[in-house]
Amino acid sequence: DIQMTQSPSSLSASVGDRVTITCRASQGISNYLAWFQQKPGKAPKSLIYAASSLQSGVPSKFSGSGSGTDFTLTISSLQPEDFATYYCQQYNTYPLTFGGGTKVEI
Amino acid sequence: QVQLVESGGGVVQPGRSLRLSCAASGFSFSSYAMHWVRQAPGKGLEWVAVISYDGSNKKYADSVKGRFTISRDNSKNTLYLQMNSPRVEDTAVYYCARDLWELQSSPDAFDFWGQGTMVTVSS
Repeated sequence: DIQMTQSPSSLSASVGDRVTITCRASQGISNYLAWFQQKPGKAPKSLIYAASSLQSGVPSKFSGSGSGTDFTLTISSLQPEDFATYYCQQYNTYPLTFGGGTKVEI
Repeated sequence: QVQLVESGGGVVQPGRSLRLSCAASGFSFSSYAMHWVRQAPGKGLEWVAVISYDGSNKKYADSVKGRFTISRDNSKNTLYLQMNSPRVEDTAVYYCARDLWELQSSPDAFDFWGQGTMVTVSS
């Protein structure tokens, strides 16, 4: 199975900050990488697919990059509604696997 | 608009059975592969199973293989997860999710998720 490792596991930031989260795959996955946002008690929301393509309706303050084994999610200017947990996921191979999550706190 | 609504969760004893459902609306259900993903209390996301758009192909996580069965009824726009011999460690919120693209036979990203249904396995 492909292991997905996110860092950091949590971070503290302020409104207006630029935030970057890293995700590393245990083997190359080309660009078959997705990012999700989850708020407490809610279902995950799909943000990005194919490493850098925004899902419909997702604001452009979210951006993704990377290919192969190393990927990043960047939030350009953190807003109150962005405080949440973020997960990466590879869909190169079954079983699909998620990173452990990064909690973005105030 | 796309809607996915899970149901069927509850408390089940270890070794008994439970069937989850995911009712889909707002899109051509029979054109999309569908997934189950779960999240144990306070933990991260774990992919459980996928079924192809026509039901001909299914894949499972090792943790549920041989115990859980994914199925679908395209005439009813409904996805199912039959949970046999559940274990305490299967306690989680179970979400259904849709493939991003139609008619995919290879792994794909998700776009829409349901709101989840809670399953508690306890004696």
